[in-house]
Amino acid sequence: QSALTQPASVSGSPGQSITISCTGTSSDVGGYNFVSWYQHLPGKAPKLIIYDVSNRPSGVSNRFSGSKSGNTASLTISGLQAEDEADYYCSSWRSGSTYVFGTGTKVTVL
Amino acid sequence: QVQLQESGPGLVKPSETLSLTCTVSRGSITSHYWSWIRQPPGEGLEWIAYIHYSGSTNYNPSLKSRVTISVDTTKSQVSLKLTSVTAADTAVYYCVRIGTSVAGTGFFDYWGQGTLVTVSS
Repeated sequence: QSALTQPASVSGSPGQSITISCTGTSSDVGGYNFVSWYQHLPGKAPKLIIYDVSNRPSGVSNRFSGSKSGNTASLTISGLQAEDEADYYCSSWRSGSTYVFGTGTKVTVL
Repeated sequence: QVQLQESGPGLVKPSETLSLTCTVSRGSITSHYWSWIRQPPGEGLEWIAYIHYSGSTNYNPSLKSRVTISVDTTKSQVSLKLTSVTAADTAVYYCVRIGTSVAGTGFFDYWGQGTLVTVSS
């Protein structure tokens, strides 16, 4: 089962905005509005930060936003902060009633 | 809020069966779907399987022949069995709740802390 494609790393200075892409196919990202994003800090459990493409769970900073165009979903972090340094994963529902994750992106705050 | 706690052996021998249990507390096991997700050292997340208390299940096609997920509503537990393990199955295994929104069930909203399982002789 092939993973969704994310850039291996993205970096930015404090206060800047960065965008992480998540590319799939019409059988997953492009076919359903079930894209979610997770923040994963070392030694911790992943944390849901975006669901259903662009919705934020209660308590998640509004600096995180999600969108989708065709087979590519995107996560934007605005006003980048040191605490945002983590690994980020996208996930999508896939035809066949399964789930698939992205390859993961390491975000570095310069 | 719901809490998930994984338990099971931290070391499994090659060719044997990996067995893990997830105990769900502060929430009803009959209210959602439940899933297992793993992360090998230095690698990304991989979805393994999901189950509903009604018995509905589905598996990652790449693992389907070796995986069984089950639920015990009387104990509020979800279990995972992975047969014929190799070193490639060494990973942190997470028990996860599948969230529900108006649109459907396309995300993972509560995660256990994870348990490291090492496959080695």
